[in-house]
Amino acid sequence: EAQVTQNPRYLITVTGKKLTVTCSQNMNHEYMSWYRQDPGLGLRQIYYSMNVEVTDKGDVPEGYKVSRKEKRNFPLILESPSPNQTSLYFCASSLNPGQAGELFFGEGSRLTVL
Amino acid sequence: KNQVEQSPQSLIILEGKNCTLQCNYTVSPFSNLRWYKQDTGRGPVSLTIMTFSENTKSNGRYTATLDADTKQSSLHITASQLSDSASYICVVKETGFQKLVFGTGTRLLVSP
Repeated sequence: EAQVTQNPRYLITVTGKKLTVTCSQNMNHEYMSWYRQDPGLGLRQIYYSMNVEVTDKGDVPEGYKVSRKEKRNFPLILESPSPNQTSLYFCASSLNPGQAGELFFGEGSRLTVL
Repeated sequence: KNQVEQSPQSLIILEGKNCTLQCNYTVSPFSNLRWYKQDTGRGPVSLTIMTFSENTKSNGRYTATLDADTKQSSLHITASQLSDSASYICVVKETGFQKLVFGTGTRLLVSP
């Protein structure tokens, strides 16, 4: 089954404790992206990757890091989480968003930073 | 600044009734517009895509329209069902760029 898998789905952590949210897709998509979704603000892009070893900042990259060492994986790293990073996070992939490619989203990871 | 605005923010309708959601955008030059449905606690799923040359497209009980001149799109839901309760997100792509511009969504509740 074609899917985007995120882990963990739910996480409660404390300020400053490094964490990684993993994302994996099995559709051989070149494009992958991370979003955060907050009430009233909609989906905002954190980072995206056009291909292996190619990443770029989205609209709200501060406090986040990513890496793309393999085509299928695109982990999101919070080096020192803060309470304002409490949010619902989505990973998405696409064959080619530049040519009307559909975004396929994961199920989301709800993060709470105390 | 490229923006996508959706209205209403939220909507409650009775099961079996029709409704129309609106999406206005300022993205230019325009490439395409997608409507996504997001069930509570799930990731968004694409319903339909509208390109510059398309005016109307249907996907079951969902019908999307596009007026590229006025930069407006609508999503019409016919004979609503309880399973239509969700957020509906309008996403617009600018020609030549990888960036997508997201609306904040319309939260629809279909009441029995």
